[in-house]
Amino acid sequence: GEDVEQSLFLSVREGDSSVINCTYTDSSSTYLYWYKQEPGAGLQLLTYIFSNMDMKQDQRLTVLLNKKDKHLSLRIADTQTGDSAIYFCAETAKLQFGAGTQVVVTP
Amino acid sequence: DGGITQSPKYLFRKEGQNVTLSCEQNLNHDAMYWYRQDPGQGLRLIYYSQIVNDFQKGDIAEGYSVSREKKESFPLTVTSAQKNPTAFYLCASSADRGHSNQPQHFGDGTRLSIL
Repeated sequence: GEDVEQSLFLSVREGDSSVINCTYTDSSSTYLYWYKQEPGAGLQLLTYIFSNMDMKQDQRLTVLLNKKDKHLSLRIADTQTGDSAIYFCAETAKLQFGAGTQVVVTP
Repeated sequence: DGGITQSPKYLFRKEGQNVTLSCEQNLNHDAMYWYRQDPGQGLRLIYYSQIVNDFQKGDIAEGYSVSREKKESFPLTVTSAQKNPTAFYLCASSADRGHSNQPQHFGDGTRLSIL
């Protein structure tokens, strides 16, 4: 199976919260990252969490890490149309990225 | 402003032709990486380099070659041996050689198509 897995699509209404989930297999990663990709562009680092943390909050973004279940999530509060993009989770031990979650924000 | 510059933005390859994608960074980063992105798939690592004059194969190195003669530059050549080269290619760099502690910074990508 894939080392990093994500659901492929999420539709959310403007103003609601979005939650993007990710599971990984390699527990040796020092950091776990979330990146955002807009159409035709490269990846922009959104946030990251150190592997010995459970939660990190950065303005509208909250990252939760469940090390036991190897589950990572990204919550975007008050989702805006500008948040429409593909979101990737990534681990650093093997430089593996998930397939990306396409987030579509509807008015 | 510091960053990573990839060129060209769009590239077309004829059958049997080698093409080279450029990647330059002025972030003073030691490590550089090349990824391939196909629709509906994550990024797949082609090659990476942790120091000048050294590089390692990633998961899908066949049909590709790289060089790292300068710290700032990590060009990728897509050879004629790569039978399915149509994809979006992303270059990245990170500060440390071990790549496990520092985030990667990405360029804006090169879209390669077959004529």
